[in-house]
Amino acid sequence: ELKVEQNPLFLSMQEGKNYTIYCNYSTTSDRLYWYRQDPGKSLESLFVLLSNGAVKQEGRLMASLDTKARLSTLHITAAVHDLSATYFCAVDITTSGTYKYIFGTGTRLKVLA
Amino acid sequence: DTEVTQTPKHLVMGMTNKKSLKCEQHMGHRAMYWYKQKAKKPPELMFVYSYEKLSINESVPSRFSPECPNSSLLNLHLHALQPEDSALYLCASSQGGAQETQYFGPGTRLLVL
Repeated sequence: ELKVEQNPLFLSMQEGKNYTIYCNYSTTSDRLYWYRQDPGKSLESLFVLLSNGAVKQEGRLMASLDTKARLSTLHITAAVHDLSATYFCAVDITTSGTYKYIFGTGTRLKVLA
Repeated sequence: DTEVTQTPKHLVMGMTNKKSLKCEQHMGHRAMYWYKQKAKKPPELMFVYSYEKLSINESVPSRFSPECPNSSLLNLHLHALQPEDSALYLCASSQGGAQETQYFGPGTRLLVL
């Protein structure tokens, strides 16, 4: 059974600091996605990572994928309050048209001014 | 237009009711998804329509029934739900299917009494 674990589950950090969120998964996949969810809101797609070594950056966020280690990271650079949200990774092991798309546990980030 | 719309925003129903959730997109996307999200939990994929072909998460009970009248519309028919089905139901769409950015609607908050 595919398991997708994120750590930390909760993260409180000061503005201006750097930090990394980790997403580990238990089966082979080369497709991983990151999402952001604000409290009481829907999901927003951040990154789509489709190969080993893929790296994507948008603003203060950078995501990478190591399929051999079954690990993705979401790095936050010089955090600002607006980044406070819950971040989910999701692993896609769809095969032969059967969709299997599992979200991680989520990391609740709070950036303190 | 990069918007996915969902109606209603909120729904309260009894266990004997029949209701439907609606989702619409006008981005020309050929894949649409239903997710269920319980409070403080990650979303769970329920159904996918990709190029009019349905893919089902086998753990979803039969009291949930998806319908895709055309490539822009996705319905979720609800019948004889249980209180534990109370959740946020999210619709998403993507251009062709897996491996692509998903755009999420605002969700429908469902309460089953």
